[in-house]
Amino acid sequence: DTAVSQTPKYLVTQMGNDKSIKCEQNLGHDTMYWYKQDSKKFLKIMFSYNNKELIINETVPNRFSPKSPDKAHLNLHINSLELGDSAVYFCASSQAGSRSGAGSGELFFGEGSRLTVL
Amino acid sequence: AQSVTQPDIHITVSEGASLELRCNYSYGATPYLFWYVQSPGQGLQLLLKYFSGDTLVQGIKGFEAEFKRSQSSFNLRKPSVHWSDAAEYFCAVAPSRGRRALTFGSGTRLQVQP
Repeated sequence: DTAVSQTPKYLVTQMGNDKSIKCEQNLGHDTMYWYKQDSKKFLKIMFSYNNKELIINETVPNRFSPKSPDKAHLNLHINSLELGDSAVYFCASSQAGSRSGAGSGELFFGEGSRLTVL
Repeated sequence: AQSVTQPDIHITVSEGASLELRCNYSYGATPYLFWYVQSPGQGLQLLLKYFSGDTLVQGIKGFEAEFKRSQSSFNLRKPSVHWSDAAEYFCAVAPSRGRRALTFGSGTRLQVQP
């Protein structure tokens, strides 16, 4: 059983289209994340949800909208795709520490979704 | 806000040689520190982590790291590198207070020569 699974693994689309990436974790964790990895391998946090509540929303264009229907799922919808959105998007989950909330625990990553915008 | 610096973008070592990957962090207190490894086309896997206590931590695959508060460093080491260790290595920091996600360094790409 895959602990954190993302679909699709590869996504090629045209500029201006809308696309979604889905993520599911079966670890029973209460916190989920979306990270973006650019062509230089730099990983940047985009969003974090704790028990379906948005707790981290970094400086991300509002074309990106995360949705968490339950604490095991965190989907990422992107409107009006641009060339600069091409990247690998990683979903991750963790169990928040009792003292410090999100971020104190180990992250478990999915295998990534490679988005290519033409 | 916390930050992480990995000064070496790319390192090449011979198989069997020792390895040290550098990581420096910036944070007002002692953060939580992590090393992750990413093989090509894969997600990230945790190698080891430091929360508190013994400053020398052991991880998987024979890796270890030492937390040095005076130098704000958390360098990763391995005494003898194997060809399968070729990958991208990321140092990460999380605050010990507050609700923030991990902040990653820019990564160090390790190549292993036969």
